[in-house]
Amino acid sequence: AQRVTQPEKLLSVFKGAPVELKCNYSYSGSPELFWYVQYSRQRLQLLLRHISRESIKGFTADLNKGETSFHLKKPFAQEEDSAMYYCALSVGGTASKLTFGTGTRLQVTL
Amino acid sequence: SAVISQKPSRDICQRGTSLTIQCQVDSQVTMMFWYRQQPGQSLTLIATANQGSEATYESGFVIDKFPISRPNLTFSTLTVSNMSPEDSSIYLCSVRTGLGTEAFFGQGTRLTVV
Repeated sequence: AQRVTQPEKLLSVFKGAPVELKCNYSYSGSPELFWYVQYSRQRLQLLLRHISRESIKGFTADLNKGETSFHLKKPFAQEEDSAMYYCALSVGGTASKLTFGTGTRLQVTL
Repeated sequence: SAVISQKPSRDICQRGTSLTIQCQVDSQVTMMFWYRQQPGQSLTLIATANQGSEATYESGFVIDKFPISRPNLTFSTLTVSNMSPEDSSIYLCSVRTGLGTEAFFGQGTRLTVV
């Protein structure tokens, strides 16, 4: 069965500092990888997906199949980045379920 | 995209009772997913709900405890039956609408069992 690991429960950084939220997965095939974010009092929403290779709100994530990782990075953290971040994996096509990691709370302080 | 409305947003229930959570989507979707998020934990899939067929439950979840209805392509309900304090969680409805697309989530139902 697939598994997603986010080793850090809390990551605290200063404004302007680089951010890296770690995500490792276990799956023998080719999964879809996602980052979801939940801001305070808002619903869970998509931040990034690996297939689109885009940068959203300054965040990027590269799928490394050799290391089975999908770390989320941003060069300069902003206060508004403070939120809960979940890495998620989907296998088997269009409407497949998501398997979530345990989440990392990012706290950006002045 | 899809907009999901979930009701109720929160409830406090007595142990031994049941609560039905409703999920309404503004567009037709094939599959809906029900997740549970226990305090301090990640999201765990309870079941996948297909319109017109029985829901598919994940390991550790059974139909008698979490019966699901899916009468049409825009609506589903999850019932939490014979509740105990261990059922206190946030319950989330989710859908995916197409190939390689993102999942959309409801705002969640925060359930407290006393």
